[in-house]
This record gives sequence, structure tokens and C-alpha cells, in this order.
Amino acid sequence: GAVVSQHPSRVICKSGTSVKIECRSLDFQATTMFWYRQFPKQSLMLMATSNEGSKATYEQGVEKDKFLINHASLTLSTLTVTSAHPEDSSFYICSAPKQGERAFFGQGTRLTVV
Amino acid sequence: GEDVEQSLFLSVREGDSSVINCTYTDSSSTYLYWYKQEPGAGLQLLTYIFSNMDMKQDQRLTVLLNKKDKHLSLRIADTQTGDSAIYFCAECVSGNTPLVFGKGTRLSVIA
Repeated sequence: GAVVSQHPSRVICKSGTSVKIECRSLDFQATTMFWYRQFPKQSLMLMATSNEGSKATYEQGVEKDKFLINHASLTLSTLTVTSAHPEDSSFYICSAPKQGERAFFGQGTRLTVV
Repeated sequence: GEDVEQSLFLSVREGDSSVINCTYTDSSSTYLYWYKQEPGAGLQLLTYIFSNMDMKQDQRLTVLLNKKDKHLSLRIADTQTGDSAIYFCAECVSGNTPLVFGKGTRLSVIA
């Protein structure tokens, strides 16, 4: 079956630094990928839609200058959390829909900002 | 807008059946999913059902879909302690649209 690989699975960073998270579709091309965020004891909320070759679209309340999304190829989308702060500590997960099939999720990245 | 509702907690005895319920509002939903999340872990897809199906069974799992009432349920037969986790119901309109998740149901299995 289709696989979506997300890296890293866990990261701890210092406040003020930036963190890049990668999401790759391993055996199919994805013109669209989705990024979700899950705060502790809460559900997953869509942050943004990553579009290959064009700008990402962000959900209301998500700062585009803080969460930079780059979808430079048909198999890779990256989410960079810039100038991370403790309140950005969360579980970030990507998904990629495969044409004619269901959505496939990455393993998720647990970000801890100290 | 789209909304997915589920009860927050369910407690069952080991060996009993668990039924987790979910309601959604978008009548154009095409795919409906059940995911399992254990503490500190990612999402594990348990099963999914297309909107043109009424039921899907996979080993201990049975999914029932009532499209008229926009109601989805997940039945776990012979519930085990390893089934303790949070179960998320999710829906999407098509393969190219994002999923909308419920808040999750925390299943506790009592030995």
C-alpha cells in the first residue's frame, strides 16, 4: 500500500530556533498534502494545505509567516516552524491523498520546545 | 461547516464488546474513517468505509454506517486491554480534501 514517511518523529529544540519537518510520499505523487496539528488531549486540526508548485493555503488562525510550507516536488512537502516557542510544542502530522484512494498519513512529529 | 461529534469516554470490561459512536454533518462525505491513537503515538488507521456501504467487517471490528442519520459506529468484539486508546472518527468529502476529525473517544478496558 501507499506509504507516507514523515521525519523526524521526535524533536526537541530551544526556544527561538527553527525546526523543519519533512513529509514524503514514497510510492506515489501527491500534488496536495495536508498538515495537521494536535495539542495534548485534543483532536487533530487542519493547519494548512500544501500545494505543489504554488503557495500553501492556511486555516484561520494559523500564521503563515511562522509555519512555512514548501512543496517543491510531487513527493515532498516541508513544514518549518520558525522561531519556535513553548506554545508551539505539539504533535504535527501530514497526510497525502492518493489519486482515487484514501488519505495516507505520516507517522507524525512530536515537537517539544524548551 | 463540517462537524464530527463523538462521546469522549467509554469504559468496558475485558471480553465485552465496545461500541463507539460518531455523528457527522456533511452529507457529501465520501470516506469515513476510524483511527486509533495510543499515548504518545501517531495515528493508526483501523478501518474506513465508503459512503455507499452500510457495513464493513474486519476481524474483531465492525463498522456500521447509517447515511440517512449521518451516524457511524465502530464495534470492537471481545475487547482486550490492548484496545485501550483514543479512537478518532473522521470524514472527508473526497480523496483530495482534508479530513475532519472528531474529538476522540477514550476507551478504557477494565480487566
